[in-house]
Amino acid sequence: GAGVSQSPRYKVAKRGRDVALRCDSISGHVTLYWYRQTLGQGSEVLTYSQSDAQRDKSGRPSGRFSAERPERSVSTLKIQRTEQGDSAVYLCASSSGPVSYNEQFFGPGTRLTVL
Amino acid sequence: AQTVTQSQPEMSVQEAETVTLSCTYDTSENNYYLFWYKQPPSRQMILVIRQEAYKQQNATENRFSVNFQKAAKSFSLKISDSQLGDTAMYFCAFMKHRGPNDMRFGAGTRLTVKP
Repeated sequence: GAGVSQSPRYKVAKRGRDVALRCDSISGHVTLYWYRQTLGQGSEVLTYSQSDAQRDKSGRPSGRFSAERPERSVSTLKIQRTEQGDSAVYLCASSSGPVSYNEQFFGPGTRLTVL
Repeated sequence: AQTVTQSQPEMSVQEAETVTLSCTYDTSENNYYLFWYKQPPSRQMILVIRQEAYKQQNATENRFSVNFQKAAKSFSLKISDSQLGDTAMYFCAFMKHRGPNDMRFGAGTRLTVKP
């Protein structure tokens, strides 16, 4: 079946502009994560969301970063007022369950370059 | 906060030989998961092997095995009979057993298998 996909694969933005990155997760997966991968540094999660029939939970949206989930299998990461330090690869991952261990499946990433 | 350190930015190995990639981590948690992910060029990360901290036995997956030293907070990956297709970035990752299941990754080791 289809895996996790992300679009666009590459994005160039002028400093100060807002950008939106899309993630299509695996059908049926309930938890979506956004990670930032910076060359030479470790990656860490920016935000995650869990969904069931009743509610969504968003974790750690902070400042200029936010995630929306317009559909169960779609997430959009929004970065406001981009800065040069936001240049990185943004990875989306999804898993089948919200608790305990469930393997996370990753998309190919979106490489963002802020000029 | 948890940190994951991979001290080898780049490594190379001859085809059919064995190579070991190092990873250390820092945490105050007693129970957690450790992972090795492989990221081929321009492709998504895929899970190579997983270790649960409460299990003393080292995990193995075909040619891949780990040396988990909990007291030393060390988690190395051994690749036996290296193949050209093993050429990739390898990321070590940590995840707490409870709470948000987001992972923290190391900076990665670029492995090149030479013919």
